[in-house]
Amino acid sequence: ILNVEQSPQSLHVQEGDSTNFTCSFPSSNFYALHWYRWETAKSPEALFVMTLNGDEKKKGRISATLNTKEGYSYLYIKGSQPEDSATYLCAFLTGNQFYFGTGTSLTVIP
Amino acid sequence: EAGVAQSPRYKIIEKRQSVAFWCNPISGHATLYWYQQILGQGPKLLIQFQNNGVVDDSQLPKDRFSAERLKGVDSTLKIQPAKLEDSAVYLCASTVGRYEQYFGPGTRLTVT
Repeated sequence: ILNVEQSPQSLHVQEGDSTNFTCSFPSSNFYALHWYRWETAKSPEALFVMTLNGDEKKKGRISATLNTKEGYSYLYIKGSQPEDSATYLCAFLTGNQFYFGTGTSLTVIP
Repeated sequence: EAGVAQSPRYKIIEKRQSVAFWCNPISGHATLYWYQQILGQGPKLLIQFQNNGVVDDSQLPKDRFSAERLKGVDSTLKIQPAKLEDSAVYLCASTVGRYEQYFGPGTRLTVT
Protein backbone atom coordinates (compact mmCIF):
# COMPACT_ATOMS: atom_id res chain seq x y z
CA ILE A 1 0.00 0.00 0.00
CA LEU A 2 1.48 3.35 -1.08
CA ASN A 3 1.66 6.32 1.27
CA VAL A 4 -0.01 9.57 0.20
CA GLU A 5 0.20 12.31 2.79
CA GLN A 6 -1.64 15.58 3.04
CA SER A 7 -0.89 18.52 5.26
CA PRO A 8 -2.15 20.22 7.22
CA GLN A 9 -4.90 17.91 8.45
CA SER A 10 -7.17 20.87 9.11
CA LEU A 11 -7.10 24.59 8.57
CA HIS A 12 -9.20 27.52 9.72
CA VAL A 13 -8.81 30.79 7.83
CA GLN A 14 -10.60 34.10 7.73
CA GLU A 15 -12.67 35.05 4.71
CA GLY A 16 -10.40 36.76 2.19
CA ASP A 17 -7.22 34.99 3.29
CA SER A 18 -5.25 32.96 0.79
CA THR A 19 -4.19 29.48 1.76
CA ASN A 20 -2.41 26.41 0.44
CA PHE A 21 -2.13 22.71 1.22
CA THR A 22 0.34 20.00 0.31
CA CYS A 23 -0.02 16.49 -1.07
CA SER A 24 3.05 14.23 -0.95
CA PHE A 25 3.24 11.02 -2.94
CA PRO A 26 5.80 8.48 -4.19
CA SER A 27 7.99 9.88 -6.96
CA SER A 28 8.14 6.57 -8.83
CA ASN A 29 5.55 4.91 -11.07
CA PHE A 30 3.60 8.15 -11.37
CA TYR A 31 0.67 8.31 -13.75
CA ALA A 32 -1.53 11.14 -12.48
CA LEU A 33 -2.43 13.20 -9.45
CA HIS A 34 -6.05 14.16 -8.84
CA TRP A 35 -7.47 16.81 -6.53
CA TYR A 36 -11.05 16.54 -5.24
CA ARG A 37 -13.23 18.80 -3.12
CA TRP A 38 -15.63 17.04 -0.76
CA GLU A 39 -18.33 19.09 0.90
CA THR A 40 -20.28 17.60 3.76
CA ALA A 41 -23.23 15.42 2.63
CA LYS A 42 -22.26 15.81 -1.02
CA SER A 43 -20.26 13.79 -3.54
CA PRO A 44 -16.52 14.40 -3.89
CA GLU A 45 -16.02 16.63 -6.92
CA ALA A 46 -12.98 16.56 -9.19
CA LEU A 47 -10.99 19.80 -9.25
CA PHE A 48 -7.89 18.93 -11.24
CA VAL A 49 -6.26 16.02 -13.02
CA MET A 50 -2.51 16.59 -13.29
CA THR A 51 -0.24 14.37 -15.33
CA LEU A 52 2.95 16.23 -16.28
CA ASN A 53 5.80 17.42 -14.12
CA GLY A 54 5.54 21.17 -13.83
CA ASP A 55 1.80 21.21 -14.55
CA GLU A 56 -0.03 24.23 -13.25
CA LYS A 57 -3.81 24.27 -13.39
CA LYS A 58 -6.31 26.93 -12.41
CA LYS A 59 -10.05 27.05 -11.88
CA GLY A 60 -11.30 30.41 -10.68
CA ARG A 61 -9.58 31.21 -7.38
CA ILE A 62 -8.16 27.71 -7.01
CA SER A 63 -4.91 26.58 -8.59
CA ALA A 64 -2.56 23.62 -8.29
CA THR A 65 1.04 22.80 -9.12
CA LEU A 66 2.76 19.45 -9.58
CA ASN A 67 6.32 18.25 -9.02
CA THR A 68 6.57 14.56 -9.91
CA LYS A 69 10.35 14.36 -9.42
CA GLU A 70 10.15 15.26 -5.74
CA GLY A 71 6.65 13.86 -5.25
CA TYR A 72 4.46 16.76 -4.19
CA SER A 73 1.57 18.90 -5.33
CA TYR A 74 0.31 22.18 -3.90
CA LEU A 75 -3.27 23.41 -3.95
CA TYR A 76 -3.76 27.16 -3.56
CA ILE A 77 -6.94 29.07 -2.80
CA LYS A 78 -6.81 32.81 -3.30
CA GLY A 79 -9.17 35.00 -1.30
CA SER A 80 -10.95 32.17 0.54
CA GLN A 81 -14.74 32.34 0.74
CA PRO A 82 -17.09 30.50 3.12
CA GLU A 83 -18.26 28.31 0.23
CA ASP A 84 -14.69 26.99 -0.08
CA SER A 85 -15.17 25.20 3.24
CA ALA A 86 -14.74 21.50 2.47
CA THR A 87 -12.29 18.63 2.67
CA TYR A 88 -9.72 18.65 -0.12
CA LEU A 89 -8.48 15.20 -1.13
CA CYS A 90 -5.60 14.29 -3.37
CA ALA A 91 -5.36 10.91 -5.11
CA PHE A 92 -2.22 9.41 -6.62
CA LEU A 93 -2.77 7.18 -9.62
CA THR A 94 -0.29 4.43 -10.36
CA GLY A 95 -1.06 1.48 -12.57
CA ASN A 96 -4.80 1.12 -12.36
CA GLN A 97 -5.28 2.10 -8.74
CA PHE A 98 -5.87 5.36 -6.92
CA TYR A 99 -4.32 5.97 -3.51
CA PHE A 100 -5.98 8.76 -1.54
CA GLY A 101 -4.55 11.04 1.10
CA THR A 102 -6.42 11.66 4.34
CA GLY A 103 -7.53 15.09 3.19
CA THR A 104 -7.20 18.66 4.42
CA SER A 105 -10.32 20.02 6.10
CA LEU A 106 -10.69 23.73 5.35
CA THR A 107 -13.02 26.00 7.30
CA VAL A 108 -13.40 29.58 6.10
CA ILE A 109 -14.69 31.87 8.82
CA PRO A 110 -16.91 34.73 7.61
CA GLU B 1 -25.69 14.04 -17.52
CA ALA B 2 -26.96 12.13 -14.49
CA GLY B 3 -24.39 11.50 -11.79
CA VAL B 4 -23.48 8.38 -9.88
CA ALA B 5 -26.40 7.20 -7.78
CA GLN B 6 -26.07 5.37 -4.49
CA SER B 7 -28.55 4.04 -2.00
CA PRO B 8 -29.27 4.05 0.80
CA ARG B 9 -27.68 7.31 1.99
CA TYR B 10 -27.63 6.24 5.62
CA LYS B 11 -27.87 2.89 7.34
CA ILE B 12 -27.72 1.87 10.97
CA ILE B 13 -27.43 -1.83 11.80
CA GLU B 14 -26.36 -3.96 14.73
CA LYS B 15 -23.18 -6.00 14.60
CA ARG B 16 -23.52 -9.40 13.01
CA GLN B 17 -26.36 -8.17 10.80
CA SER B 18 -26.10 -7.99 7.01
CA VAL B 19 -26.29 -4.93 4.81
CA ALA B 20 -26.19 -4.19 1.09
CA PHE B 21 -25.39 -1.03 -0.82
CA TRP B 22 -26.31 -0.22 -4.39
CA CYS B 23 -24.54 1.90 -6.99
CA ASN B 24 -25.59 3.00 -10.46
CA PRO B 25 -22.66 4.56 -12.33
CA ILE B 26 -22.74 7.14 -15.07
CA SER B 27 -23.95 5.64 -18.33
CA GLY B 28 -21.07 4.43 -20.46
CA HIS B 29 -18.51 4.37 -17.66
CA ALA B 30 -16.81 1.01 -17.84
CA THR B 31 -14.80 1.28 -14.62
CA LEU B 32 -16.51 1.23 -11.24
CA TYR B 33 -14.88 1.54 -7.82
CA TRP B 34 -16.06 0.92 -4.28
CA TYR B 35 -14.19 2.78 -1.54
CA GLN B 36 -14.40 2.63 2.24
CA GLN B 37 -13.71 5.86 4.07
CA ILE B 38 -13.29 5.53 7.82
CA LEU B 39 -13.46 8.75 9.82
CA GLY B 40 -10.09 10.48 9.82
CA GLN B 41 -8.71 8.39 6.97
CA GLY B 42 -8.63 8.72 3.21
CA PRO B 43 -10.86 6.59 0.99
CA LYS B 44 -9.50 3.05 0.65
CA LEU B 45 -10.20 1.03 -2.46
CA LEU B 46 -12.21 -2.10 -1.76
CA ILE B 47 -12.84 -3.33 -5.28
CA GLN B 48 -12.48 -2.14 -8.87
CA PHE B 49 -14.55 -3.44 -11.77
CA GLN B 50 -13.90 -3.10 -15.46
CA ASN B 51 -17.26 -3.75 -17.08
CA ASN B 52 -18.44 -6.81 -15.11
CA GLY B 53 -14.97 -8.19 -14.39
CA VAL B 54 -12.94 -7.62 -11.22
CA VAL B 55 -9.67 -5.73 -11.79
CA ASP B 56 -8.55 -5.43 -8.17
CA ASP B 57 -10.09 -6.75 -4.97
CA SER B 58 -6.89 -7.16 -3.00
CA GLN B 59 -8.12 -5.01 -0.10
CA LEU B 60 -11.62 -6.45 0.08
CA PRO B 61 -12.12 -8.47 3.30
CA LYS B 62 -13.53 -11.43 1.46
CA ASP B 63 -14.58 -13.31 4.58
CA ARG B 64 -17.37 -10.78 5.09
CA PHE B 65 -17.51 -8.45 2.08
CA SER B 66 -18.72 -9.33 -1.40
CA ALA B 67 -19.46 -7.27 -4.49
CA GLU B 68 -20.86 -7.89 -7.91
CA ARG B 69 -21.50 -5.93 -11.04
CA LEU B 70 -24.00 -7.76 -13.16
CA LYS B 71 -24.17 -6.85 -16.85
CA GLY B 72 -21.41 -4.30 -16.35
CA VAL B 73 -23.74 -1.58 -15.08
CA ASP B 74 -25.17 -1.49 -11.54
CA SER B 75 -23.17 -2.84 -8.65
CA THR B 76 -23.95 -4.04 -5.15
CA LEU B 77 -21.63 -4.29 -2.16
CA LYS B 78 -22.63 -6.57 0.70
CA ILE B 79 -21.31 -6.99 4.22
CA GLN B 80 -22.24 -10.17 6.08
CA PRO B 81 -21.87 -10.19 9.04
CA ALA B 82 -21.06 -6.58 9.92
CA LYS B 83 -18.54 -5.63 12.59
CA LEU B 84 -18.20 -2.41 14.56
CA GLU B 85 -15.10 -1.47 12.56
CA ASP B 86 -17.13 -1.48 9.34
CA SER B 87 -18.69 1.84 10.36
CA ALA B 88 -17.65 4.14 7.53
CA VAL B 89 -18.78 5.98 4.43
CA TYR B 90 -18.93 3.70 1.41
CA LEU B 91 -18.29 5.58 -1.80
CA CYS B 92 -18.96 4.41 -5.31
CA ALA B 93 -17.18 6.05 -8.24
CA SER B 94 -17.08 5.52 -11.97
CA THR B 95 -14.76 6.69 -14.69
CA VAL B 96 -13.84 6.35 -18.31
CA GLY B 97 -10.26 5.21 -18.64
CA ARG B 98 -7.92 6.87 -16.17
CA TYR B 99 -9.59 10.26 -16.07
CA GLU B 100 -11.18 11.90 -13.06
CA GLN B 101 -13.55 9.78 -11.06
CA TYR B 102 -17.17 10.72 -10.61
CA PHE B 103 -18.38 9.92 -7.14
CA GLY B 104 -21.76 9.16 -5.73
CA PRO B 105 -22.91 10.81 -2.48
CA GLY B 106 -21.88 7.78 -0.44
CA THR B 107 -23.63 5.58 2.10
CA ARG B 108 -22.88 6.31 5.73
CA LEU B 109 -22.97 3.04 7.66
CA THR B 110 -23.12 2.91 11.43
CA VAL B 111 -22.71 -0.47 13.09
CA THR B 112 -23.79 -0.56 16.75
